[in-house]
Amino acid sequence: NAGVTQTPKFRILKIGQSMTLQCTQDMNHNYMYWYRQDPGMGLKLIYYSVGAGITDKGEVPNGYNVSRSTTEDFPLRLELAAPSQTSVYFCASSYPGQRNEKLFFGSGTQLSVL
Amino acid sequence: GNSVTQMEGPVTLSEEAFLTINCTYTATGYPSLFWYVQYPGEGLQLLLKATKADDKGSNKGFEATYRKETTSFHLEKGSVQVSDSAVYFCALSAMIYNQGGKLIFGQGTELSVKP
Repeated sequence: NAGVTQTPKFRILKIGQSMTLQCTQDMNHNYMYWYRQDPGMGLKLIYYSVGAGITDKGEVPNGYNVSRSTTEDFPLRLELAAPSQTSVYFCASSYPGQRNEKLFFGSGTQLSVL
Repeated sequence: GNSVTQMEGPVTLSEEAFLTINCTYTATGYPSLFWYVQYPGEGLQLLLKATKADDKGSNKGFEATYRKETTSFHLEKGSVQVSDSAVYFCALSAMIYNQGGKLIFGQGTELSVKP
């Protein structure tokens, strides 16, 4: 009963380093999302995917890349990390097809860029 | 564009007090509306939802009614408990064909309930 699993839970990066945030789901959901949560700002959509091989930009995509080679996995790549990318990152998935869809969230990755 | 505005927190209440967290939205068309809750150290969980005007979503003693005339979806609970301490997010989903139901979130309202 894993749901959406994110790794790592915490990470500290130096400016200019790169890393990949991992996300996997075992619910066979077509749709997956990456959000970032900044204090007092709510969640902002970074990228989303409607299925394997298909990705698209959300509201704040700059500085990030994604890929979706399988239904289960949706990694988020940070190239050249910057202090502005310090945030909590949430991966989510859903199985739309009905209008009142529900998102399932992972427990988050807290990233600090120093 | 679509947006969600919530009342600012933190909100501090005593146990058994009445809770209201205000949420208003701006959207084209007929969005679905949601309340998500985030307990400390966890991801967001769906608390309740409403998909059309005058619908009332309810769960765990929480309620919210979709008011199209006032573009609001206020969250209420008659008697809060310490275990309700969390951050509450109002959100809307304007389902777009082949783009998924991307959620637009409010900024979140932190609730702290004291014994």
